[in-house]
Amino acid sequence: DSGVTQTPKHLITATGQRVTLRCSPRSGDLSVYWYQQSLDQGLQFLIQYYNGEERAKGNILERFSAQQFPDLHSELNLSSLELGDSALYFCASSLTGKRVGEQYFGPGTRLTVT
Amino acid sequence: TQLLEQSPQFLSIQEGENLTVYCNSSSVFSSLQWYRQEPGEGPVLLVTVVTGGEVKKLKRLTFQFGDARKDSSLHITAAQTGDTGLYLCAGPQGAQKLVFGQGTRLTINP
Repeated sequence: DSGVTQTPKHLITATGQRVTLRCSPRSGDLSVYWYQQSLDQGLQFLIQYYNGEERAKGNILERFSAQQFPDLHSELNLSSLELGDSALYFCASSLTGKRVGEQYFGPGTRLTVT
Repeated sequence: TQLLEQSPQFLSIQEGENLTVYCNSSSVFSSLQWYRQEPGEGPVLLVTVVTGGEVKKLKRLTFQFGDARKDSSLHITAAQTGDTGLYLCAGPQGAQKLVFGQGTRLTINP
């Protein structure tokens, strides 16, 4: 158990819909990272937050957004969903935000868009 | 963009055999991390190597960082069925981002 929690575990929704994925980092960790993992693309970095502020952006679509709240939990919002958005979405946390360090991953949310 | 290439992509061997998987790049990395991921779960950090030429051992797993810090290897001695999983290497890209290789999917057959 990494100490990172993600909900829900599974999510099935239709194209065009909007979903919210939630992540709680390990106790004491200030950074939260979001990743998308699909069979053909591997593990792709989406976005990082540190202590409530956006720190880095990766290959995140404009239809996707995220935020980190004062209690440090984070939410990833995916809108206007397409079939190609079906993937595993992972959240990871780390203590520091100044330099990328060792990251601890949650169990993931499996999103299926039908 | 720094890329990490892992080989082989797939490896299936019998229990008790030894194996080595590789993580290569044309770029220098300040450090490299190895993760193992089991089906339906998130990647779990195994080790971080930070010094060129460094060797770290974790029970039957031996990790090596290349002298030029462009490559790394993972050697497993006397593989067990519990070693089955997806092995990912990752390295920092800039100050904030971690880039992952595509992974080696390892299957240990009883």
